Amino acid sequence: NAGVTQTPKFQVLKTGQSMTLQCAQDMNHEYMSWYRQDPGMGLRLIHYSVGAGITDQGEVPNGYNVSRSTTEDFPLRLLSAAPSQTSVYFCASSYRRGLLSYEQYFGPGTRLTVT
Amino acid sequence: TQLLEQSPQFLSIQEGENLTVYCNSSSVFSSLQWYRQEPGEGPVLLVTVVTGGEVKKLKRLTFQFGDARKDSSLHITAAQPGDTGLYLCAGVNYGGSQGNLIFGKGTKLSVKP
Repeated sequence: NAGVTQTPKFQVLKTGQSMTLQCAQDMNHEYMSWYRQDPGMGLRLIHYSVGAGITDQGEVPNGYNVSRSTTEDFPLRLLSAAPSQTSVYFCASSYRRGLLSYEQYFGPGTRLTVT
Repeated sequence: TQLLEQSPQFLSIQEGENLTVYCNSSSVFSSLQWYRQEPGEGPVLLVTVVTGGEVKKLKRLTFQFGDARKDSSLHITAAQPGDTGLYLCAGVNYGGSQGNLIFGKGTKLSVKP
């Protein structure tokens, strides 16, 4: 199993550009989430999904869109990039398994710089 | 807003020393997890604790969930350079969902040979 994969690993955007960060998992996990990690701020939840066709907002959703058409894929779209979106983005997935549903399996991250 | 406070923020020790890092909150959690993150990589799950007072061991790492389910600690015995990394705790309160999982800001551990 590859686990959770993310592409690209690095990306530089200009302000106003749009792009999609890709995330895929091959563990048949029901739940998938996107986080951003900034120095001094820890991991903050952007959007999450509890199954195909179902998404919801996390703590910091503004400027990002998600969709989940399949169990495996959960892309994150930046609509119009801003310097404040410079961050490291992590995709994670988890089982639907009671209290263990919150155990996150993280991808390797995408390092995004917006100039 | 729930908060998970981790302390210390930074810890630099010599190989062979023991250490404890803490994860505290005023909220009650149904479960709490610990992760380790190495530079340039995603966090990796170490353990989940679900019962108040629970103690779990993973080789030289000992995890404890507080009796009141508001806090947790991670103790490392005889630290090694391979233990270097960012240690994160994360929890969700009773009745919470995936959207309610919150992370502490982490303890950055450096173990020098």
